[in-house]
Amino acid sequence: KQEVTQIPAALSVPEGENLVLNCSFTDSAIYNLQWFRQDPGKGLTSLLLIQSSQREQTSGRLNASLDKSSGRSTLYIAASQPGDSATYLCAAFNAGNMLTFGGGTRLMVKP
Amino acid sequence: SAVISQKPSRDICQRGTSLTIQCQVDSQVTMMFWYRQQPGQSLTLIATANQGSEATYESGFVIDKFPISRPNLTFSTLTVSNMSPEDSSIYLCSVVKSLAGGPNEQFFGPGTRLTVL
Repeated sequence: KQEVTQIPAALSVPEGENLVLNCSFTDSAIYNLQWFRQDPGKGLTSLLLIQSSQREQTSGRLNASLDKSSGRSTLYIAASQPGDSATYLCAAFNAGNMLTFGGGTRLMVKP
Repeated sequence: SAVISQKPSRDICQRGTSLTIQCQVDSQVTMMFWYRQQPGQSLTLIATANQGSEATYESGFVIDKFPISRPNLTFSTLTVSNMSPEDSSIYLCSVVKSLAGGPNEQFFGPGTRLTVL
């Protein structure tokens, strides 16, 4: 059974810092890995999807990497802004269209 | 992407009552999923809803408590039955789509925030 872990659980940084969110998974037989953003009380917004054959994906200030062999993915946020404050969730996509979520990282970017 | 809407967006309900949540997708999809997110927690899959067949429930979730309908390829409902305060959560509908021949990607509705008194 896939298990996904995110570290840290919470993070508070001043505006402008570059930061890294970590995600690890136990079953490397994934089809892809998705990173989501969730604002308080809201649904999930898909940020980046990395296919199992890829090493990284970039969108604006976001860069996500994937290392299947070590069971790890990282989300890099450059030049953080207060608007980046949210919970970031990673999810591993396995056979049967099963998506397993990590516990999330609650990010607070202070002005 | 897939545009997903849910109704209601939020509700406050009394213990012992039931609430039906609707999920509408802007395109036909084979698989729809219902998730629960308890306060301060991550998402837990309740069930997978395929059109034309009974929903498949995850461990810890049963049809009597969470009946699901899937009458067509763009719509599904989840009912939370005989509610208790422990059912207070955000309930999210989700679909899997492959965009432009790319990989399967999962999209989520805005969620239904349920509070049970």
